Amino acid sequence: EVQLVESGGGLVQPGGSLRLSCAASGLTFSTYWMSWVRQAPGKGLEWVANMNQDGSQKYYVDSVKGRFTISRDNTKNSLYLQMSSLRVEDSAIYYCAREFDWSKDYWGQGTLVTVSS
Amino acid sequence: QTVVTQEPTLTVSPGGTVTLTCASSTGAVTSDRYPNWIQQKPGQAPRALIYSSSNKHSWTPARFSGSLLGGKAALTLSGVQPEDEAEYFCLLYFGATQVFGTGTKVTVL
Repeated sequence: EVQLVESGGGLVQPGGSLRLSCAASGLTFSTYWMSWVRQAPGKGLEWVANMNQDGSQKYYVDSVKGRFTISRDNTKNSLYLQMSSLRVEDSAIYYCAREFDWSKDYWGQGTLVTVSS
Repeated sequence: QTVVTQEPTLTVSPGGTVTLTCASSTGAVTSDRYPNWIQQKPGQAPRALIYSSSNKHSWTPARFSGSLLGGKAALTLSGVQPEDEAEYFCLLYFGATQVFGTGTKVTVL
């Protein structure tokens, strides 16, 4: 059974940093693209970033370029999102998702990030 | 900035049929946007339903079907069940980026 478990969320002040993790199990992690998707309270879904199997291709939504960095450690079956220069508008639940055949077939339960002073 | 638009709300009776649509500000939605449909119930994580316009995941109930219709992606729910009450998001791929739709809240009443 595929499982994706996010962690690392919390309360952070504007301008601060946070690193999210996504632990994957039940899949051959190193063979899949992976994505981060976020959802602000009461709002819709927003794709944030994704990366390919070996990390040589990374893509970001414009609003996080230069502030967020997606990475992975295939030896630990883990995906990461390093977030810096955080803004109030970055407050959201952050989900990781597996990319397969132009779909996000498996999703984690999410981790909540709150940016507030 | 690409905007993907869906109906904000739709209401359907149990056993009825409803069609949700997904339009792109860049023009007609075609198969090379690989339209996806994702269901989300309150307090739950999103769940994938449809990919590449009309393909179902192994867990997708048969009453859900996807298509391309009049320049839009469409999700049809036939024989709607009370448990189908949820918000539905489409997702379109634009090369290196991806854009979710604005979401449709479906009420079963």
